[in-house]
Amino acid sequence: GAGVSQSPRYKVTKRGQDVALRCDPISGHVSLYWYRQALGQGPEFLTYFNYEAQQDKSGLPNDRFSAERPEGSISTLTIQRTEQRDSAMYRCASSPTGHEQFFGPGTRLTVL
Amino acid sequence: AQSVTQLDSQVPVFEEAPVELRCNYSSSVSVYLFWYVQYPNQGLQLLLKYLSGSTLVKGINGFEAEFNKSQTSFHLRKPSVHISDTAEYFCAVSDLWAGGTSYGKLTFGQGTILTVHP
Repeated sequence: GAGVSQSPRYKVTKRGQDVALRCDPISGHVSLYWYRQALGQGPEFLTYFNYEAQQDKSGLPNDRFSAERPEGSISTLTIQRTEQRDSAMYRCASSPTGHEQFFGPGTRLTVL
Repeated sequence: AQSVTQLDSQVPVFEEAPVELRCNYSSSVSVYLFWYVQYPNQGLQLLLKYLSGSTLVKGINGFEAEFNKSQTSFHLRKPSVHISDTAEYFCAVSDLWAGGTSYGKLTFGQGTILTVHP
C-alpha cells in the first residue's frame, strides 16, 4: 500500500516568507509526528498528534512554527517569517500504535 | 531527559567483512530501542526494534542488535556486509508507554555513515 507522502519534496524560499509543508500519513494511522533534521544530525522531535489532537508541541522551536491535523489525517506544518536557520529536512512519520513509526521521504527546506 | 550517543560518525569497511555500529543511551525510565537506516534520497526505514523479551533482536537485511541494560547499549551488527548496505544508520529510543497511552516520541542519535568498499 501507499506509504507516508510529503510535499513538496524540495522548497526554496526567501527569508521572511511563510511556508506550509504537507504530510499525508498511511491510511488509518492514529499517530503522526513531525521531526526536523539538520545536516549531519539525527532527526529532532517537533510535535505529535493523536488523531486531530496535538498532544505534544514541546519540540517546536518558537511561535513561528505551528502544525495542525484538522481531520485526523493530513497534517500541515507551517513556518511563518522564515529565517535561514530554519533550513533543514522536515520529516513526517505516522504510526498505528506508536511502537513503529513509518517515515515519509521528507521536505528539504532552503531559506535564502 | 533521554539522550542517544552513536560513538562513530563514519565506519568504512570492506565488502563481506563484519561490522558493528555502536549506540549508547541514557534515560531515567525504561525505553524502547530502534535502529533506522536512511538510504540516499529516501526516508528512514526501520531495521529492527527492541520492545521486550529476548535481548538479541534480529531485523531486516541480516542485521541484528543486542540490548544490554547494564551498559545501556544497543549495538548493531552484521556478520558480512554488502555494497548495498552503504547508508546512514540511526539509533533511537522512546519511553515506554505511560498508562497505555500511545505516544512513542523518538530521540535519535547523530547517525553513523556506513561505507562498504569493494
